[in-house]
Amino acid sequence: ETGVTQSPTHLIKTRGQQVTLRCSSQSGHNTVSWYQQALGQGPQFIFQYYREEENGRGNFPPRFSGLQFPNYSSELNVNALELDDSALYLCASSRGAAPSTDTQYFGPGTRLTVL
Amino acid sequence: AQKVTQAQTEISVVEKEDVTLDCVYETRDTTYYLFWYKQPPSGELVFLIRRNSFDEQNEISGRYSWNFQKSTSSFNFTITASQVVDSAVYFCALSQETSGSRLTFGEGTQLTVNP
Repeated sequence: ETGVTQSPTHLIKTRGQQVTLRCSSQSGHNTVSWYQQALGQGPQFIFQYYREEENGRGNFPPRFSGLQFPNYSSELNVNALELDDSALYLCASSRGAAPSTDTQYFGPGTRLTVL
Repeated sequence: AQKVTQAQTEISVVEKEDVTLDCVYETRDTTYYLFWYKQPPSGELVFLIRRNSFDEQNEISGRYSWNFQKSTSSFNFTITASQVVDSAVYFCALSQETSGSRLTFGEGTQLTVNP
């Protein structure tokens, strides 16, 4: 058990819709990272938030956005859904944002299907 | 740019066999961090180990051992006396000092341990 939870577990949307995925980090973990994992592939980094500020972004379009709240919860929002957005979305939390000391611990993921 | 390659897509062994999962990485940073994660069918990524680039000491933890060799840019993972419960997808990942704690993952190796 990593103490990282995500909701919902599964979600089905249609193309063009908007979706919000939620994550609850471990208490005391000030950093949350989001990853997209397409079927049969490794996770791809979307972005990271540290103390409620975006702290790095991967190669994803602006329709992927996020928020982090003071209570260790966070959201991933995706607008104008496309079929290729179908994937497992993983959030990971860590105490800080320093790679030298901080290991990321992952939640169980949200499986998003776009029809 | 950073890259992780796991050349073995799938490995199938019989219980009690030893199995080695290969990982080769590319990075221009002199300070970097390597990780192994396990992803069982439930989907959650489980942290197994991290190594720092300045620490080439190999490690054994129970049935698991890791062989880090900077000369060949490899970070291989061996399971001794494999068990059916070891069946999962295993990911090797890399983070660089200059890129924060974002992880770059390989494509994963599906390990199946048959009884």
